[in-house]
Amino acid sequence: DAKTTQPPSMDCAEGRAANLPCNHSTISGNEYVYWYRQIHSQGPQYIIHGLKNNETNEMASLIITEDRKSSTLILPHATLRDTAVYYCIAFSYGGSQGNLIFGKGTKLSVKP
Amino acid sequence: DTGVSQDPRHKITKRGQNVTFRCDPISEHNRLYWYRQTLGQGPEFLTYFQNEAQLEKSRLLSDRFSAERPKGSFSTLEIQRTEQGDSAMYLCASSLPGGYTFGSGTRLTVV
Repeated sequence: DAKTTQPPSMDCAEGRAANLPCNHSTISGNEYVYWYRQIHSQGPQYIIHGLKNNETNEMASLIITEDRKSSTLILPHATLRDTAVYYCIAFSYGGSQGNLIFGKGTKLSVKP
Repeated sequence: DTGVSQDPRHKITKRGQNVTFRCDPISEHNRLYWYRQTLGQGPEFLTYFQNEAQLEKSRLLSDRFSAERPKGSFSTLEIQRTEQGDSAMYLCASSLPGGYTFGSGTRLTVV
């Protein structure tokens, strides 16, 4: 699975959009970009995933560049409860490894 | 509750003791995964099952670790002769193609 690179930490003001970048320059054609988040002392929570097209759900939007080498997770109106570690993962369910590989993620701090 | 359940939530054990954790996945999910997470790190893959078959094991899974999923439903992870370095959060996840659901984890402290 492709390695992803994320900034270790980011701050965001409550009510503003949080834009979390991820680089995945070696992603292969069949690998999706997945985003999970982990709030302190809980298991990772699925947020969103995409292959080529931008995706949106009730939690967030995912913007993937045309060359698929990077993506941005957008939380449109961040709240204090969005404070968490966010993980970007490049993954193919049918790949040689059937498991998600987590990096260290981005620790997002939403401040009042 | 239709999520992934893990039991116990917390376990404190003395070094050298054996411990066993249980994971109940979402019933229709055929894949089940175990991860370990230490402070400040992302979850690290240990092993996974497709139905009752254990298909992959990480090098992190030493001989003291064993996982089973006897009927393709719940799974257990046993650690024998625990060491202080085994102290971590042990996470279970289950999946169908396209999405993983994680449990809340079992936090193990070896004293």
